[in-house]
Amino acid sequence: EAGVTQFPSHSVIEKGQTVTLRCDPISGHDNLYWYRRVMGKEIKFLLHFVKESKQDESGMPNNRFLAERTGGTYSTLKVQPAELEDSGVYFCASSPLGQGFYGYTFGSGTRLTVV
Amino acid sequence: RKEVEQDPGPFNVPEGATVAFNCTYSNSASQSFFWYRQDCRKEPKLLMSVYSSGNEDGRFTAQLNRASQYISLLIRDSKLSDSATYLCVVNGRTYRDNAGNMLTFGGGTRLMVKP
Repeated sequence: EAGVTQFPSHSVIEKGQTVTLRCDPISGHDNLYWYRRVMGKEIKFLLHFVKESKQDESGMPNNRFLAERTGGTYSTLKVQPAELEDSGVYFCASSPLGQGFYGYTFGSGTRLTVV
Repeated sequence: RKEVEQDPGPFNVPEGATVAFNCTYSNSASQSFFWYRQDCRKEPKLLMSVYSSGNEDGRFTAQLNRASQYISLLIRDSKLSDSATYLCVVNGRTYRDNAGNMLTFGGGTRLMVKP
C-alpha cells in the first residue's frame, strides 16, 4: 500500500512569491490533515478535510494560506504571498473515516524555505 | 502555557541504559494519548498509544496519570537505533459525527544513545 505522498520534498522561494504544496493521501482515506513545524516550535495543526469538505481550518495562520481538496482525493496548500515566517516543514496526514487519530499516517513533509 | 509540555533534552545515555521521558498536558478533556517517534528530517511515526492502565510494547512502557495530566514513556535496554526525538501527542477537540480529530504535539524530547 502506498503511503502519504507529498510534493515537492523541498522548496526554496523568495518572499512574496507563491508556492503550492501537494498531498496525496492513502487511497480510501477520507480524512486529510495539514500540519506544520516552524523552526524551534512544535508541530501544529493547520486544517482537516473530510473528503472534499473542510471540517476544521482553525489552525490556518492567516488568509495567505489556501487549502483545497477538489474531488476528495489529493489536496493542495497554497501560500500566497509567502513570508519569511512561513518557512518550516509542512506535513500532510491521512486516516480512514471512523479511525480518526488512531489511523493517522504522515507523509514525509515538504520543507519550505522562504528567503 | 503550551498545551503539551516536554523536556526538550537531549538525553544522552549509553547503550543498555533505561531512560524515561515525561510530558504534561493542559486539556483535562483529552481522551487519547500517544507517543510518536521522529527521526531527523523524517515524518512522525506512531510508537504507541497510551492507555489508562499503562501498556507495554517490548522494551517500551507507557503510563498515563489522568489526575496529574501526566504521561510517561520508559525505554529499557536502549539501542543505538532508539536515537530519535520522542513526541508526546494528545488528541484535540472532538466532533460528534467524525472521529477524525486533530492532534496536539509536544515539542519533543531528543534521545541520543551512545555506544
